[in-house]
Amino acid sequence: EVQLVESGGGLVQPGGSLRLSCAASGFTFSIYWMHWVRQAPGGGLVWVSRINGDGSSTAYADSAKGRFTISRDNAKNTLYLQMNSLRAEDTAVYYCARDPAPAHWFDRWGQGTLVTVSS
Amino acid sequence: EIVLTQSPGTLSLSPGERATLSCRASQSVGSSYLAWYHQKPGLAPRLLIYGASSRATGIPDRFSGSGSGTDFTLTISRLEPEDFAVYYCQQYGDSPPTFGQGTKLEIK
Repeated sequence: EVQLVESGGGLVQPGGSLRLSCAASGFTFSIYWMHWVRQAPGGGLVWVSRINGDGSSTAYADSAKGRFTISRDNAKNTLYLQMNSLRAEDTAVYYCARDPAPAHWFDRWGQGTLVTVSS
Repeated sequence: EIVLTQSPGTLSLSPGERATLSCRASQSVGSSYLAWYHQKPGLAPRLLIYGASSRATGIPDRFSGSGSGTDFTLTISRLEPEDFAVYYCQQYGDSPPTFGQGTKLEIK
């Protein structure tokens, strides 16, 4: 069974940092592009970042460029999102999602981890 | 970036009725680069349709997608109680991928 389990969310002050993890199981992690998508409280879905299978290619939304870094450890079947210089507007549930194509659509999602940026 | 506008914002229907949800793009997303998801409260989104009209694994055939270019439709032929949720369209024909603001399908 395909499973994606996020962790690492929590309360952080503005300007602080947080690293999210997404543990994958039930599929060959290394051949799939992976993404982070976020959802502010009561809001819609917003794509944040993606990484290709071997980690050699990444892309970011403008809101994440220069502050967030996506990475992966295929030996550990784990996806990461390092978030620095956090702002109040980064408050959201962060989902990791699998891209089956690759084509930037998402066939499996984790349960999400909540990041709250507040003083 | 491509802006997706979903309509209506809220759709109130009864089980057994037919639901028609619309997604309009600010520019062409290509012939079929559109997906649909639904999301229930407190849960992650679930993929329903990709390629504008292909049902994802395990999705019942009461769900169907159509459209191309800038206008897309998700149809649910006969609503079941578990179908009441928020529905999102998403385009992946251009970077960055973007989502519509959602249509809430509620029980009348």
